[in-house]
Amino acid sequence: GAVVSQHPSRVICKSGTSVKIECRSLDFQATTMFWYRQFPKQSLMLMATSNEGSKATYEQGVEKDKFLINHASLTLSTLTVTSAHPEDSSFYICSAPQPNPYGYTFGSGTRLTVV
Amino acid sequence: GEDVEQSLFLSVREGDSSVINCTYTDSSSTYLYWYKQEPGAGLQLLTYIFSNMDMKQDQRLTVLLNKKDKHLSLRIADTQTGDSAIYFCAELTGTASKLTFGTGTRLQVTL
Repeated sequence: GAVVSQHPSRVICKSGTSVKIECRSLDFQATTMFWYRQFPKQSLMLMATSNEGSKATYEQGVEKDKFLINHASLTLSTLTVTSAHPEDSSFYICSAPQPNPYGYTFGSGTRLTVV
Repeated sequence: GEDVEQSLFLSVREGDSSVINCTYTDSSSTYLYWYKQEPGAGLQLLTYIFSNMDMKQDQRLTVLLNKKDKHLSLRIADTQTGDSAIYFCAELTGTASKLTFGTGTRLQVTL
């Protein structure tokens, strides 16, 4: 079945630094990827939709300059958290849509801790 | 917009059945899904149901859909400790390719 590989699984960084999270579709081409943020004991919050070859679409309230999204190829989408602060600490998950009826395939998530 | 609602928590004994409920928002939803999330992991698709179906069974999982009330449920038979996780329902509307997720139900299975 379709697999989305997400790295790193866990990262701890200092305030003010930038962190890049990668999501790769391993056995299929993903023209679209969705990026979510999940706070403890809460549901997934859609941050943005990345589209191969064009600009990402951000949800209302998500800072474009803070969360840089690049969909460089049909198999790779990246999320860079720039100038990270402790409030950016969260669980970030990517997903790629599959043909109906199979919904989305999710990456394994990245736990970001900013100290 | 409206939320896809789920109860926050459910505790069951091992071997009993679990029923997780979901109230969704869009009557034009084409597919409805149940996902499982284990601690520190991404979401795993458990099952789905097409909107013109009332019921779907897949091994220990039974999905019931009441379109009139926009109510979806997931029944897990013979619940095991490995079923302890957070369960999300999600709806796919006909007008967009985005899934809208429920608030999640934490299932705790006790011995």
